[in-house]
Amino acid sequence: DAKTTQPTSMDCAEGRAANLPCNHSTISGNEYVYWYRQIHSQGPQYIIHGLKNNETNEMASLIITEDRKSSTLILPHATLRDTAVYYCIVRARLDGLTFGKGTHLIIQP
Amino acid sequence: DTGVSQDPRHKITKRGQNVTFRCDPISEHNRLYWYRQTLGQGPEFLTYFQNEAQLEKSRLLSDRFSAERPKGSFSTLEIQRTEQGDSAMYLCASSLVVGGATYEQYFGPGTRLTVT
Repeated sequence: DAKTTQPTSMDCAEGRAANLPCNHSTISGNEYVYWYRQIHSQGPQYIIHGLKNNETNEMASLIITEDRKSSTLILPHATLRDTAVYYCIVRARLDGLTFGKGTHLIIQP
Repeated sequence: DTGVSQDPRHKITKRGQNVTFRCDPISEHNRLYWYRQTLGQGPEFLTYFQNEAQLEKSRLLSDRFSAERPKGSFSTLEIQRTEQGDSAMYLCASSLVVGGATYEQYFGPGTRLTVT
């Protein structure tokens, strides 16, 4: 599996868009980019995933660069409840996921 | 609530004792996963089942750990002769996989194990 690199922590003001970057320069052609988040004391929660096209759902948007070596998760209007650790995962198959340390996103009031 | 459930939510045990955790996945999901998470780290994959077959085991799953999913529904994870290093949150997740199509994993709330 491709290794991912994420910033350790980020701050964002409530109501603003939160943009979380992820580098995955060794990604293979058949590997998907997944994003999960984990709110304190809860299990991880799926957010979104994509292969090469940009994706959007009710929670977030995923922007994948044309060379697929990096991606950005966008939370369009961050709220305090979005404070969590966000994990970027690159995986070819949906079996065991490899979580890194993720990005601790803190939404400031 | 039709999400993934885990029991117990918390377990305190003495070193050397055996413990067993249970996971009930979302009913129509055919895959079930176990992960372990220690403080400050992301979850680490342990093993997964497709229906009742255990298809992959991580090298983290030592001989003291055993997992079962006898009827392809709920699963149990047993740790024998617990050690203090086993203290962690044990997470269960389930997913539906059809024809190789990728679907997300849904996680339960976890069982927090403390070995004293």
